[in-house]
Amino acid sequence: KNQVEQSPQSLIILEGKNCTLQCNYTVSPFSNLRWYKQDTGRGPVSLTIMTFSENTKSNGRYTATLDADTKQSSLHITASQLSDSASYICVVSAPGTYKYIFGTGTRLKVLA
Amino acid sequence: NAGVTQTPKFQVLKTGQSMTLQCAQDMNHNSMYWYRQDPGMGLRLIYYSASEGTTDKGEVPNGYNVSRLNKREFSLRLESAAPSQTSVYFCASMPTSGYNEQFFGPGTRLTVL
Repeated sequence: KNQVEQSPQSLIILEGKNCTLQCNYTVSPFSNLRWYKQDTGRGPVSLTIMTFSENTKSNGRYTATLDADTKQSSLHITASQLSDSASYICVVSAPGTYKYIFGTGTRLKVLA
Repeated sequence: NAGVTQTPKFQVLKTGQSMTLQCAQDMNHNSMYWYRQDPGMGLRLIYYSASEGTTDKGEVPNGYNVSRLNKREFSLRLESAAPSQTSVYFCASMPTSGYNEQFFGPGTRLTVL
């Protein structure tokens, strides 16, 4: 069964620190991988989208990496801010389908 | 430009009642989706519409029906609500499938007693 697994489940860091969130997937074949940010009580918002041929994609302080050989992705957050407190969701899709497989997310809390 | 809008934001139903969740997008997108989000689980696809006039089942369609009223609007109907349908429901849209950003609405929090 195609799965997307994220780690850690939750993370607490101090403001200004960096952190890295992990995503492992078994979806095959693979089309693209997305990272979303979901604030409490709101819908997910897209951060990055990568195809299998892309290794890195940045969006401000957010940098996503992808290793399609090992089926692993990471989201690195630099110089964290209080507003980064949210859930971060990894989503993987297969080619030619409308099916997007969502991970359960990593809940990040940034403390002052 | 409001993006994706959903109504209502909150709803409480009794078992057996029916209701329709409304979704509209103003981005001229072809594809629209309905998801549910439950604690400890990833978003799961209920139904999707690849284009105006078409709808298809997703991963968890039982107990739901949808209507793609026009290009802008995609509604989700619960004919006879059950407690297992207590969830947060998200509507999303994107231009087409593939390498495109998917835009989500703010969600509807539904409780079935």
